[in-house]
Amino acid sequence: GAVVSQHPSRVICKSGTSVKIECRSLDFQATTMFWYRQFPKQSLMLMATSNEGSKATYEQGVEKDKFLINHASLTLSTLTVTSAHPEDSSFYICSAKSDSGNTIYFGEGSWLTVV
Amino acid sequence: GNSVTQMEGPVTLSEEAFLTINCTYTATGYPSLFWYVQYPGEGLQLLLKATKADDKGSNKGFEATYRKETTSFHLEKGSVQVSDSAVYFCALSDRRGMNTGFQKLVFGTGTRLLVSP
Repeated sequence: GAVVSQHPSRVICKSGTSVKIECRSLDFQATTMFWYRQFPKQSLMLMATSNEGSKATYEQGVEKDKFLINHASLTLSTLTVTSAHPEDSSFYICSAKSDSGNTIYFGEGSWLTVV
Repeated sequence: GNSVTQMEGPVTLSEEAFLTINCTYTATGYPSLFWYVQYPGEGLQLLLKATKADDKGSNKGFEATYRKETTSFHLEKGSVQVSDSAVYFCALSDRRGMNTGFQKLVFGTGTRLLVSP
């Protein structure tokens, strides 16, 4: 079946540095991908919708200059957390909408810890 | 705005026990409702869905009925197995961005289920 791979699954970075998380659709093309974030004991919250070849659409309250999204190909979207701070520590998960249908597939998620 | 409320876990059961995970929602209009499951080390997978009131979604022995009168979509299974241990997310569709044909998902917090032999 369709698979979405996220990398890295866990990452620890120092405060002030940037970290990139990749989201790949392995056997299907995805013009549209989504990035979610989940803080402990809270819901998965949509951060942004990533569209191949165009700028991402950010949800209200999400800083686009801090969370840089690049969707340069039909199988890859990246989320870069810039100048990371401890409060950015969270679970980040992506999903991809198959171009051949309306089905959405999720990645495994990435745990980010900023120390 | 739209929101989903799930019971807080973890839910700990013995094998073959009956499972209920409560989910209630707040939404304008008539959303579709979903249950997703995340097994350890894997991505979220769609478990079942219901698109209108009184619909029952079912898959792998799990069931949930769309109850508009109580705004609920409780997940049930008659006899759980150890392999059902996972995190279960209730979600509803947010119909913003209709021109994309995609319904944005609003999730609950997730409920961890632990099934012991």
